[in-house]
Amino acid sequence: DVKVTQSSRYLVKRTGEKVFLECVQDMDHENMFWYRQDPGLGLRLIYFSYDVKMKEKGDIPEGYSVSREKKERFSLILESASTNQTSMYLCASSLGNQETQYFGPGTRLLVL
Amino acid sequence: AQSVTQPDIHITVSEGASLELRCNYSYGATPYLFWYVQSPGQGLQLLLKYFSGDTLVQGIKGFEAEFKRSQSSFNLRKPSVHWSDAAEYFCAVGARTGDMRFGAGTRLTVKP
Repeated sequence: DVKVTQSSRYLVKRTGEKVFLECVQDMDHENMFWYRQDPGLGLRLIYFSYDVKMKEKGDIPEGYSVSREKKERFSLILESASTNQTSMYLCASSLGNQETQYFGPGTRLLVL
Repeated sequence: AQSVTQPDIHITVSEGASLELRCNYSYGATPYLFWYVQSPGQGLQLLLKYFSGDTLVQGIKGFEAEFKRSQSSFNLRKPSVHWSDAAEYFCAVGARTGDMRFGAGTRLTVKP
């Protein structure tokens, strides 16, 4: 079974803090993704990566950056957290383009 | 970029009744289409996917979906709903570039 793990299920941070969300997959998948999920908006793509050190912006990259130094790990960074970044963050991975995405359990981030 | 519309935000059906969840997509090429389900407090799980071939696709838990190119639709159906089907359902379209776009989701409530 594909396993995608996220470093935290719940996280509380202060405005202005730098926040790191970690995601690890164990199936040697090429592609990895970060989404945020908000009620009524569904999942919105923040960034995705199709290879180590490669990244592409999604629909809402502002205020976020990503890092993929190893194939199995994809990090989402909030350089200076703001209250409007309070959300559920979902990581996913897929074997390749247009393949099924496998999701982690999500990290619920609260920025105070 | 590709996009997905799920017109129904919330649907309520009685247990044992049939179900149809609507999904319309926009994509310039042959779409790769997916339905995911998210149970309360859970991650997203793939129900079914369409890549090519037979336009009626069978999935897990008794779900099926029909791809209609002329209507740009990929509606999800189930002949008899069970209380455990109460969840949020997301339709998604994958692009050749590797990214995927999700709809806003349809929340299903099942009445006893």
